[in-house]
Amino acid sequence: GPKVLQIPSHQIIDMGQMVTLNCDPVSNHLYFYWYKQILGQQMEFLVNFYNGKVMEKSKLFKDQFSVERPDGSYFTLKIQPTALEDSAVYFCASSSTPNSDYTFGSGTRLLVI
Amino acid sequence: DAKTTQPDSMESTEGETVHLPCSHATISGNEYIYWYRQVPLQGPEYVTHGLQQNTTNSMAFLAIASDRKSSTLILPHVSLRDAAVYHCILRVAPQQGTGSKLSFGKGAKLTVSP
Repeated sequence: GPKVLQIPSHQIIDMGQMVTLNCDPVSNHLYFYWYKQILGQQMEFLVNFYNGKVMEKSKLFKDQFSVERPDGSYFTLKIQPTALEDSAVYFCASSSTPNSDYTFGSGTRLLVI
Repeated sequence: DAKTTQPDSMESTEGETVHLPCSHATISGNEYIYWYRQVPLQGPEYVTHGLQQNTTNSMAFLAIASDRKSSTLILPHVSLRDAAVYHCILRVAPQQGTGSKLSFGKGAKLTVSP
């Protein structure tokens, strides 16, 4: 079936640097999401995005986080600056409507050192 | 979104039919019951969802109690590929144009033995 592609699959970055995680959603999907999963823990919602705007964000979505999707390009999660506690797997998802099921990517494994 | 309760883990053998229970005693009338599963190193995968009626698809059968306070995901003839963490999630039907999030818990880890 249709897939969500996440690039890169792994990223190691020095604390304090900026990182951008890229997500190529399913082509006809309009709603986009980021989740964070620390090793061994449950997935935590970060943010959802529709029509160029953040619709809802959680407490985990710190001021250092931002999301955007410039026309026709990737849906991105930017962290600037990164902190050690940002180390996790970040999953992107997309859906065609707010009520439809999500298609998740395979995640970007981020390690902040 | 209201809470769900699942067992931490369940064990099965290839070829068996597995019943994964989920309790949602405080479910609201406008909440759907969603099931996702996640295998290691992958994102969650949609399995099925329902509101009141039982549903079936190529992956599973979802049995919803008449009072909607519990549901059971039934996996027929499981294989090793069905080993995963299964998440039972309640999701409010959102207003048109607004986002709607899925809230994941710890889920139930299904182990399948050869």
